[in-house]
Amino acid sequence: QQPVQSPQAVILREGEDAVINCSSSKALYSVHWYRQKHGEAPVFLMILLKGGEQKGHDKISASFNEKKQQSSLYLTASQLSYSGTYFCGTGGAGSYQLTFGKGTKLSVIP
Amino acid sequence: SAVISQKPSRDICQRGTSLTIQCQVDSQVTMMFWYRQQPGQSLTLIATANQGSEATYESGFVIDKFPISRPNLTFSTLTVSNMSPEDSSIYLCSVEGQGGIADGYTFGSGTRLTVV
Repeated sequence: QQPVQSPQAVILREGEDAVINCSSSKALYSVHWYRQKHGEAPVFLMILLKGGEQKGHDKISASFNEKKQQSSLYLTASQLSYSGTYFCGTGGAGSYQLTFGKGTKLSVIP
Repeated sequence: SAVISQKPSRDICQRGTSLTIQCQVDSQVTMMFWYRQQPGQSLTLIATANQGSEATYESGFVIDKFPISRPNLTFSTLTVSNMSPEDSSIYLCSVEGQGGIADGYTFGSGTRLTVV
């Protein structure tokens, strides 16, 4: 079952913050986050493997709420380079296959 | 992370013909994944290819239409057979990162296919 991402699109000014949510109707065992710029391949940002886990590097972080079956990606003090489409990919128990959400298009403007 | 060389990068093909897409990885990997992405849309898994066994296809995808080869641990091909305009899409291969699942998946640069 495809996870649901929200919002579908967001426009930010440089320096603003954003939150992208990813929720599933099925139990989640792993959540991946990727960013894809136009015409390029998706690039791995981070993976969360267990409930309650939080991760981050630089100004991008994520959390995983196993009970609510959802994950959130936090982008703080956004930069122009953050523009792109963000996808969450969810994995089932013991499965290497990912099911991706429809994506959130993030545009950062000066 | 692994480096993937995918080719061709794009092609325009006549309906009814077939196109074979190649992915070469710079390290040995157990599984390779093939995805389809309509422009501006999400990534949809076509199949998982393991060396030495038949590929596992996702619902809606069949071997006759998308035959896959995996002759060794660094190479795989996906063929799009008997193409129709509905097959126009971007096709990507993907492998697990060098450090295992903690490194996520690396994607090839994609093949943009247009069927006319």
